[in-house]
Amino acid sequence: QSVLTQPPSVSGAPGQRVTISCTGSDSNIGAGYNVHWYQHLPGAAPKLLIYDNKNRPSGVPDRFSGSKSGTSASLAITGLQAEDEADYYCQSYDSSLRAWVFGGGTKLTVL
Amino acid sequence: EVQLLESGGGLIQPGGSLRLSCTASGFIFSNFAMAWVRQAPGKGLEWVSIISGNSNRAFYADSVKGRFTISRDNSKNTLLLQMDSLRVEDTAVYYCAKDVQQWLIDPYYFDYWGLGTLVTVSS
Repeated sequence: QSVLTQPPSVSGAPGQRVTISCTGSDSNIGAGYNVHWYQHLPGAAPKLLIYDNKNRPSGVPDRFSGSKSGTSASLAITGLQAEDEADYYCQSYDSSLRAWVFGGGTKLTVL
Repeated sequence: EVQLLESGGGLIQPGGSLRLSCTASGFIFSNFAMAWVRQAPGKGLEWVSIISGNSNRAFYADSVKGRFTISRDNSKNTLLLQMDSLRVEDTAVYYCAKDVQQWLIDPYYFDYWGLGTLVTVSS
């Protein structure tokens, strides 16, 4: 039911590359609003991972990258590490709802 | 170091009221908009409300509009959320989050979050 659609889960072995998609519509991502990504470990504060589609805050490894095209965005994680196991959320703004919106979240499992 | 500390959560009956607080430190509080985001058990993140640095602008999710009121006391570096007419579906961990802008002219993102406070609405 989320405005932004993410796969419920993805997995990969250590060292591999995974991508997480975030699909929106013409009233949010497609309208030109930026996409941001957060990492959330259980019991911890959510952490900003990518802002404005592709930018990394200071301290975020360059293994994490973001992209946006049309009504969708993607988060890519290369060189998977055990510590990357977490929930990942995309976020944007929806002009029809006049609301900040999140994806439903994707659980990343490192095999 | 930016720190956000939420408090005020607890067990409350449906129809009741609760007030959440978020105490901020490590940045000039009045220079930034602040938001509340919640996570129901087993669910994803849901934006609840946001307020500009000078309290001139505030926005709410449709799910809480008319029941919740966001406010802030810049002299005490504190963000508040007054929750009235609580429903079972309001049960969630409530996070305080710092925006990167002050005025809410355009929507941006949240660069720091607290650990959250649990609100349980149940009879």
